[in-house]
Amino acid sequence: SQTIHQWPATLVQPVGSPLSLECTVEGTSNPNLYWYRQAAGRGLQLLFYSVGIGQISSEVPQNLSASRPQDRQFILSSKKLLLSDSGFYLCAGKGQGMDIQYFGAGTRLSVL
Amino acid sequence: GENVEQHPSTLSVQEGDSAVIKCTYSDSASNYFPWYKQELGKRPQLIIDIRSNVGEKKDQRIAVTLNKTAKHFSLHITETQPEDSAVYFCAVPNFGNEKLTFGTGTRLTIIP
Repeated sequence: SQTIHQWPATLVQPVGSPLSLECTVEGTSNPNLYWYRQAAGRGLQLLFYSVGIGQISSEVPQNLSASRPQDRQFILSSKKLLLSDSGFYLCAGKGQGMDIQYFGAGTRLSVL
Repeated sequence: GENVEQHPSTLSVQEGDSAVIKCTYSDSASNYFPWYKQELGKRPQLIIDIRSNVGEKKDQRIAVTLNKTAKHFSLHITETQPEDSAVYFCAVPNFGNEKLTFGTGTRLTIIP
């Protein structure tokens, strides 16, 4: 099965600073990749997904962007963080033609 | 898009008793129905899934039932144990299975 690598595990950033979270996938090629955000005690909000290199679908207009420079690499970015960007960010992947989405360990982002 | 409703939002069950969580969905073309378990501070992990060609699937103490006509599926946990305490999410794919819409989650607490 595939493995989703995500780092860092925790991050504290000041308001207005930039952000870059990276996610890489092992064990499958041409996966669908996803970025979710989870506020404390809440559900999973899909932010972006990608079905291939350079292909990004945005689900929610916001202060964030995503890029997929390589088949197994998915990056979440922001030029200027807001307080409301705090949360638990999860990367997920799904093998081509497969059903199951696997999640990375997540990054807990605190914007202060 | 797909609309997924999950009930209840919280559930407390005496250890050893059964727990049932239900999800309803809107798109009758959906054909894959996973359940994820998320422990505090951890990533969601798939615990069981079902495809639309079967009505029930069981894995030890966990089972999922599907009623395609009524467009709902349920998670059943029998002989509950303290380690079953977690948040459980159902999910339903969009047409083409590119992405999942998650339910709002059920916080299950097992009372020793």
